[in-house]
Amino acid sequence: QSALTQPPSASGSPGQSVTISCTGTSSDVGSYNYVSWYQQHPGKAPKLMIYEVSKRPSGVPDRFSGSKSGNTASLTVSGLQAEDEADYYCNSYVGSSNFYVFGTGTKVTVL
Amino acid sequence: QITLKESGPTLVKPTQTLTLTCSFSGFSLSTSGEAVGWIRQPPGKALEWLALIYWDDGKRYSPSLKSRLTITKDTSKNQVVLTMTNMDPVDTGTYYCAHRGGNYYYTFHIWGQGTMVTVSS
Repeated sequence: QSALTQPPSASGSPGQSVTISCTGTSSDVGSYNYVSWYQQHPGKAPKLMIYEVSKRPSGVPDRFSGSKSGNTASLTVSGLQAEDEADYYCNSYVGSSNFYVFGTGTKVTVL
Repeated sequence: QITLKESGPTLVKPTQTLTLTCSFSGFSLSTSGEAVGWIRQPPGKALEWLALIYWDDGKRYSPSLKSRLTITKDTSKNQVVLTMTNMDPVDTGTYYCAHRGGNYYYTFHIWGQGTMVTVSS
């Protein structure tokens, strides 16, 4: 099972929006609405930001949103803030094999 | 409130077996639907899912590492143990355990702080 493909980097100015893609296959992202997104600051554990494609856990700002089209999922951060600068990873549950695959990670820089 | 904490050696030699323990609170692994997973991250690299154990003792492993991994649980102690055999320097990294369950049935909701493991002679 190969890692999901994410762009290495993305950036935006404060207040702007940035969208990160996560491309898988018809066996993972394309087949299941179980895509999650994690935010990771340097030296910290990942934090769940989006689950089941577009749901936000309690406490996550509504500036974070998720979507999916075909084999590609996306995370959009609107109204960028300095604290949004971090690494972001997508993750998909692969139901047919009952395991998980992570994305390659995207470093978001707030200019 | 769910919390998890990883523990284990910080340094292991090549070919040795790594044993990591995840101690948790705020849920029970005897409750239907609950699960604990292990994920690792080499320095400067991406996350990699390793293994998952369910409340009913069902177990799942990363296909690429399946031959080297064993995950077990001790429900009475609220602990999950991961063993990885034949350690190699490429296995160096931070190892996390994470909770899966409740409203977050298909995702890792709460993570431990991680424990750094270095493989070196």
